[in-house]
Amino acid sequence: KQEVTQIPAALSVPEGENLVLNCSFTDSAIYNLQWFRQDPGKGLTSLLLIQSSQREQTSGRLNASLDKSSGRSTLYIAASQPGDSATYLCAVLDQGGKLIFGQGTELSVKP
Amino acid sequence: EPEVTQTPSHQVTQMGQEVILRCVPISNHLYFYWYRQILGQKVEFLVSFYNNEISEKSEIFDDQFSVERPDGSNFTLKIRSTKLEDSAMYFCASSVLSLSSYNEQFFGPGTRLTVL
Repeated sequence: KQEVTQIPAALSVPEGENLVLNCSFTDSAIYNLQWFRQDPGKGLTSLLLIQSSQREQTSGRLNASLDKSSGRSTLYIAASQPGDSATYLCAVLDQGGKLIFGQGTELSVKP
Repeated sequence: EPEVTQTPSHQVTQMGQEVILRCVPISNHLYFYWYRQILGQKVEFLVSFYNNEISEKSEIFDDQFSVERPDGSNFTLKIRSTKLEDSAMYFCASSVLSLSSYNEQFFGPGTRLTVL
């Protein structure tokens, strides 16, 4: 059974720092991996999708990597801003076409 | 930009009552999903739907739950007799593709269901 784990559970950094969020999954038979952002009490905003054959994807200050064989992904946020404060969720698309989510990393960027 | 919409944003109901949560997926999408998130817990898959049939459902999706696409635009989740433990945020999602690395699921803003 696929399990997705994210560490750390919470992270607090000063504005301007670069940071890395980690995601690991137990079954490498995935179609893709998506990173989402969730603001408190709100929906899920898709940030990046990495297909299983890709190693990384970039969007603005965000860069996500995928190492399928080792079951790991990282989300790198450059030059963090207070507006980046949110919970970041990692999810893998399994062989049945459903997303399996991690529990998220709650990020706080202090001005 | 097209988006998934959900109504209502918040639903309060009494235990044992029936609720229907509504979603309008993105218009050219063919695959539809319901997920839920109990407060403080992971987002969990409930059901996927394609061509007017359930493709896959989780253990959570028991006989109390049903899904329907009553017309060409809406996708609904019905809970027949709500329990306290059904209190959660329910998310609808849709995608163009399914069993593909290009399957990107787009999520609605959610309906917060509170069962008293």
